[in-house]
Amino acid sequence: ETGVTQSPTHLIKTRGQQVTLRCSSQSGHNTVSWYQQALGQGPQFIFQYYREEENGRGNFPPRFSGLQFPNYSSELNVNALELDDSALYLCASSPAPGANVLTFGAGSRLTVL
Amino acid sequence: KNEVEQSPQNLTAQEGEFITINCSYSVGISALHWLQQHPGGGIVSLFMLSSGKKKHGRLIATINIQEKHSSLHITASHPRDSAVYICAVSQGAQKLVFGQGTRLTINP
Repeated sequence: ETGVTQSPTHLIKTRGQQVTLRCSSQSGHNTVSWYQQALGQGPQFIFQYYREEENGRGNFPPRFSGLQFPNYSSELNVNALELDDSALYLCASSPAPGANVLTFGAGSRLTVL
Repeated sequence: KNEVEQSPQNLTAQEGEFITINCSYSVGISALHWLQQHPGGGIVSLFMLSSGKKKHGRLIATINIQEKHSSLHITASHPRDSAVYICAVSQGAQKLVFGQGTRLTINP
């Protein structure tokens, strides 16, 4: 399978709820990074997973957590949603950490009311 | 001050014009990326640079490591080039630090 697929494309949640966003990486890409992009801003690094282990984390609280699975899919989980969590969430996969091939998904747009 | 600064933030030009978007960074990097983001969110990687210059079709990217500066040029611009162009720098193997993006509009 080529390309990176994210789901859902859009969703609406209310404050305090939990959300799970999914990413299916490009085949053979064992590294996935997640980014949060607020409206009008550049993406911010949340964390990276490599071979199913967290391999670096940005300045995000522990209520942002992730999982990576052996089939190249991964999840971003956010607990206790806040209004400021409203953003586009992007995943990007690569064959290895720091590799010069980086493939982004189209993103999941989360709105928290 | 952001670690990665782009200029201009918005750029409107006529079809056919030569376009330059600039990126300055203040941190040590292992590589610099130029990315294109269309409405709706999808991001496409255009270039990854660690030195010198790269060309792909009408797009040219240059980097000056000593001056911590990179430029993206578009020759013979076309309305389909309209998008947000984002500069991002790699700090080690894990993290990309992004600029705010430059919104480019090419009018026919």
